[in-house]
Amino acid sequence: AQKITQTQPGMFVQEKEAVTLDCTYDTSDPSYGLFWYKQPSSGEMIFLIYQGSYDQQNATEGRYSLNFQKARKSANLVISASQLGDSAMYFCAMRFRGSTLGRLYFGRGTQLTVWP
Amino acid sequence: DVKVTQSSRYLVKRTGEKVFLECVQDMDHENMFWYRQDPGLGLRLIYFSYDVKMKEKGDIPEGYSVSREKKERFSLILESASTNQTSMYLCASSLDFNSASEQFFGPGTRLTVL
Repeated sequence: AQKITQTQPGMFVQEKEAVTLDCTYDTSDPSYGLFWYKQPSSGEMIFLIYQGSYDQQNATEGRYSLNFQKARKSANLVISASQLGDSAMYFCAMRFRGSTLGRLYFGRGTQLTVWP
Repeated sequence: DVKVTQSSRYLVKRTGEKVFLECVQDMDHENMFWYRQDPGLGLRLIYFSYDVKMKEKGDIPEGYSVSREKKERFSLILESASTNQTSMYLCASSLDFNSASEQFFGPGTRLTVL
């Protein structure tokens, strides 16, 4: 069974500091993709970053980067220079090659709070 | 930009009512999904669809049904709403089965069943 685990229900970080949100996954499929989404209090899910299992380099998108450690099956999201607007729920998700119709498997999320 | 819209942001219904949640996407996506989100449980897949009139059960289909009569529209139906179906409902769509193909989400519907 495919599984995504986010072990941090809540995280706190001071503005302008970096923060790492943890995500581990479990799959026997060698081909998979990992996604991070942000959900502000408004409710809409916003796609942040994607990492493919065969990608040679860690993905980066502006202040977001993915610390991908394939052997450890972890895909942690790093947010540099945190801003107050980064306060939100963050979800890690995975799709593997055998996923039925490309469905995603989501973790339970981490609530990030950025304080001034 | 891909747009996924949901018919209501907030909805209040009574136990036993039949409830329709509508979702429309404007980018000709093949795949559409319905999730429910509850605190501490993340997103759980209810149903998904890969073509008109085609559907697949997700992880928690009990108490729900779906309809996809047109490619752009995917409806979630609560045949007889119950209080344990009070939740946030999120609709999503994706272009294809490619592992890199992200899902685009609607704004969500917060349903309260009294």
